Amino acid sequence: DVKVTQSSRYLVKRTGEKVFLECVQDMDHENMFWYRQDPGLGLRLIYFSYDVKMKEKGDIPEGYSVSREKKERFSLILESASTNQTSMYLCASIRGGAMGGYTFGSGTRLTVV
Amino acid sequence: AQKITQTQPGMFVQEKEAVTLDCTYDTSDPSYGLFWYKQPSSGEMIFLIYQGSYDQQNATEGRYSLNFQKARKSANLVISASQLGDSAMYFCAMREAGNSGNTPLVFGKGTRLSVIA
Repeated sequence: DVKVTQSSRYLVKRTGEKVFLECVQDMDHENMFWYRQDPGLGLRLIYFSYDVKMKEKGDIPEGYSVSREKKERFSLILESASTNQTSMYLCASIRGGAMGGYTFGSGTRLTVV
Repeated sequence: AQKITQTQPGMFVQEKEAVTLDCTYDTSDPSYGLFWYKQPSSGEMIFLIYQGSYDQQNATEGRYSLNFQKARKSANLVISASQLGDSAMYFCAMREAGNSGNTPLVFGKGTRLSVIA
């Protein structure tokens, strides 16, 4: 089974801190995605990547950046965390060109205080 | 414009009854896929069922079926014989094929289903 692992389940950070959320998948998938989930808003796409060193902005990229130096790892970076970035963050992956469902990680619940 | 609309923020169903969760979508791409995910309180996203735009038959997976009405742009999830473990958040999602076949999944806002004993 494909596994998508997010390094932290719960994270508490202070306003202004630089925050790294890590996501690793073990099935050689080309495509990786970062979503945030907020009550009443569903999942919204932050950034995605179709290959190493490639990145594309999603619907809400402001305040975030990403890094994909290796195929298996896709990092989400909050350059200067703010309280409105308190949310559940979900990473997902899928094989390039596949039309099926994504495999998601278990999520990171980030609280910025 | 919202591409996926789930109009039911919350639903209740009696155990062992069937329930339909509504989803409408908007796209001009003739090739697309429709998905339903379940998210229990633990937070993981569980893929339930998939329907391709060219599929002639409605998709079924065990107790889950997708009522696909292409002309109405509707992709409702039907859960038969509800169980207490079905209590969760349910998300409808869509991917368009686009030019490259790599367009990301777009999600609706979700429906919270509560199954009552």
